[in-house]
Amino acid sequence: AQSVAQPEDQVNVAEGNPLTVKCTYSVSGNPYLFWYVQYPNRGLQFLLKYITGDNLVKGSYGFEAEFNKSQTSFHLKKPSALVSDSALYFCAVRDRGGATNKLIFGTGTLLAVQP
Amino acid sequence: GAVVSQHPSWVICKSGTSVKIECRSLDFQATTMFWYRQFPKQSLMLMATSNEGSKATYEQGVEKDKFLINHASLTLSTLTVTSAHPEDSSFYICSARGEGGYSNQPQHFGDGTRLSIL
Repeated sequence: AQSVAQPEDQVNVAEGNPLTVKCTYSVSGNPYLFWYVQYPNRGLQFLLKYITGDNLVKGSYGFEAEFNKSQTSFHLKKPSALVSDSALYFCAVRDRGGATNKLIFGTGTLLAVQP
Repeated sequence: GAVVSQHPSWVICKSGTSVKIECRSLDFQATTMFWYRQFPKQSLMLMATSNEGSKATYEQGVEKDKFLINHASLTLSTLTVTSAHPEDSSFYICSARGEGGYSNQPQHFGDGTRLSIL
């Protein structure tokens, strides 16, 4: 069964420090991987995606993510956190070889950046 | 970038009322649209997938007679919650995918509709 795991409900980091939000996946084939961010009472905003090619993907607002096939992970990272990065982050996967074309979301990780 | 507009953003209505939520792709043609429901502090639950001009595909456990979805054009999908009751109160989010609907393209999300049934 396809699944996405975000093991941390919340991540706390001080402003200026690097941040990592973890994501692991389980799919039958090669995945398409996505990260989205959600601010309160808003929809999701697309940050970045991995389809193929370089394992390090750069996205919006200075975020990047590293695809690791052997560890089936796609952790989101940023070198220097901002208070404005505080939000709910969702990892998602779509099985490129599957019959369905829907996204499977993780449970979300709340990022809290302290000034 | 791709913009998805969802309207209304907030609805409060009496039990038994039917509520229609619109989702529009403003600057691209959305071959596929998705409707999600989100409970507080939880992830998104996919309710249904709709392709322009065809019937929506509902996820298991979602009542299609309760949640009517219409995707009449490449830029508009609507979700109608029929005879809404307090347990239908939730945050509903639509999403659209364009560019031929290829599955490697990101979905673009509306800002959601907060539905409160009294």
